Amino acid sequence: KAGVTQTPRYLIKTRGQQVTLSCSPISGHRSVSWYQQTPGQGLQFLFEYFSETQRNKGNFPGRFSGRQFSNSRSEMNVSTLELGDSALYLCASRSPGFYTEAFFGQGTRLTVV
Amino acid sequence: QKEVEQNSGPLSVPEGAIASLNCTYSDRGSQSFFWYRQYSGKSPELIMFIYSNGDKEDGRFTAQLNKASQYVSLLIRDSQPSDSATYLCAATGNQFYFGTGTSLTVIP
Repeated sequence: KAGVTQTPRYLIKTRGQQVTLSCSPISGHRSVSWYQQTPGQGLQFLFEYFSETQRNKGNFPGRFSGRQFSNSRSEMNVSTLELGDSALYLCASRSPGFYTEAFFGQGTRLTVV
Repeated sequence: QKEVEQNSGPLSVPEGAIASLNCTYSDRGSQSFFWYRQYSGKSPELIMFIYSNGDKEDGRFTAQLNKASQYVSLLIRDSQPSDSATYLCAATGNQFYFGTGTSLTVIP
């Protein structure tokens, strides 16, 4: 069974640009969550999608957005990049229920210069 | 208040000692709790989960859950340098809540 796949693995962008990251969940998983991880702030929740609907959202500015497609693949977009957006972006998928674990992708390392 | 709070660390313990990682959660409706380990530059991976009050042991790892106090902990006995990593606590409620993580360094 294939794991969670994130693309690209590494990205370097310039301030002011926009970026789109992709996440393909484990087959059958309809929930996809996105996280930002930095050394200073640790793991921070961005948003969760379930069956193409945003179910939960963290405390991030509107520059951060996402969507989920009918095949459960998800994308997140960051517009008008700032230096502080440099981070590891992790995607996790899980199947419904209280007792199911989340599986993470390898992450996308974004560097904004 | 964050839904899941972890002791911020960083935490350093000598090799062979017991490392204690703590986590509190705010949603009394949370049903299950997970501990993930994340090595530097890697993604988090599940090491233990616990649903019921009490202790759950798996090798050198023991997870402890106290629902009345809304407290979860992870004990690592006989800590090894290979245990050096960031440990993430998670709880299920309306969503899958993660703490920000605690960095553990085991000193040889």
